[in-house]
Amino acid sequence: EVQLVESGGGLVQPGRSLRLSCTASGFTFGDYAMSWFRQAPGKGLEWVGFIRSKAYGGTTEYAASVKGRFTISRDDSKSIAYLQMNSLKTEDTAVYYCTRDPGDLGYFDYWGQGTLVTVSS
Amino acid sequence: EIVMTQSPATLSVSPGERATLSCRASQSVSSNLAWYQQKPGQAPRLLIYGASIRATGIPARFSGSGSGTEFTLTISILQSEDFAVYYCQQYNNWPPLTFGGGTKVEIK
Repeated sequence: EVQLVESGGGLVQPGRSLRLSCTASGFTFGDYAMSWFRQAPGKGLEWVGFIRSKAYGGTTEYAASVKGRFTISRDDSKSIAYLQMNSLKTEDTAVYYCTRDPGDLGYFDYWGQGTLVTVSS
Repeated sequence: EIVMTQSPATLSVSPGERATLSCRASQSVSSNLAWYQQKPGQAPRLLIYGASIRATGIPARFSGSGSGTEFTLTISILQSEDFAVYYCQQYNNWPPLTFGGGTKVEIK
């Protein structure tokens, strides 16, 4: 059974950093691209960023709203994807979801349960 | 950036009836369109990809159609568990990946 479990969320002050983890199981993690999304309270879905599998270069893409502040990485040996968030702003407050792309295609067949990040002083 | 627009924002439907949700893209996305369902407090779930292909385990009452800029998600016979928010997402021209604002299907 495919499972994605996010962790690392919590309350953080503006300007500080936080790192989220997404621990995967039930599939060969290294074969898949992964992506992060977020959803502000009561709002819609927003794409945050994407990391390709090593077979496709392991390269990353980011939304303009987080580019230069957020970094996605992966450790295929541990089946974990990371979202490093620096210089956090109050508008980054959201539930963050980790997702799997079935074929480096841009849609997502499995989603984690999400982890809440609250940026507030 | 491709802008996705969903209508209506809210759809009131009785159980057993048909629901038709619309999604429009600001430019052609070919058939690179996915639909997700999200229930309160839960993560989104993939329903449809490739505009019309049901994801694994999705009941046949869910169907997708369209190409280019106009897309439709139809739920043929609404069940109680289908009341949720539905999002469309394009993956033809990215980054960025973009979503519509969602359609909430509520009980009439």
